[in-house]
Amino acid sequence: RKEVEQDPGPFNVPEGATVAFNCTYSNSASQSFFWYRQDCRKEPKLLMSVYSSGNEDGRFTAQLNRASQYISLLIRDSKLSDSATYLCVVNLGGAQKLVFGQGTRLTINP
Amino acid sequence: NAGVMQNPRHLVRRRGQEARLRCSPMKGHSHVYWYRQLPEEGLKFMVYLQKENIIDESGMPKERFSAEFPKEGPSILRIQQVVRGDSAAYFCASIEGGTDTQYFGPGTRLTVL
Repeated sequence: RKEVEQDPGPFNVPEGATVAFNCTYSNSASQSFFWYRQDCRKEPKLLMSVYSSGNEDGRFTAQLNRASQYISLLIRDSKLSDSATYLCVVNLGGAQKLVFGQGTRLTINP
Repeated sequence: NAGVMQNPRHLVRRRGQEARLRCSPMKGHSHVYWYRQLPEEGLKFMVYLQKENIIDESGMPKERFSAEFPKEGPSILRIQQVVRGDSAAYFCASIEGGTDTQYFGPGTRLTVL
């Protein structure tokens, strides 16, 4: 079983739609959680950290369920510029190395 | 404040040659991580270094790969006797001590002919 699993997609949605991504992780000792965004052939960029209480940043909402070892990302009112690969990332603590899911590819269509 | 810098951005090597990838962390960051991304795959952790110390190299292949982060100068990832399977994007990330947010450099794309 992969340490971090995501649906690779691709997701193709019309502009303005709401889209949700899910991710599961296997190590219950994981300490911190993130969503990164990666554009084609570029470096990953931090989108947002994910907390148990849930957190929102503009059109983006992230949620963590530690009991189910499940992380989600919701994008509302999607824009063309949201087209990218979204990476679910888990920090195991200790040496702080990040474990990445394989990413979910999203394309927003006009 | 300059971000994480990596060079070269693109590197082409023939099989059997050596590849040297350099990473300069963000100013004030003393922790460096190296990750590898094979085509169509996610990033995989390779090694974690602090100045003059390798903290965790559990993701490094046992042969041909080495990394260092000297007291002065950039971190270096060295791949000896490259093979075609080494073709990938190699990303470096840095953090400030005591935090958990990693900032990534633009990557070095290695192509082995």
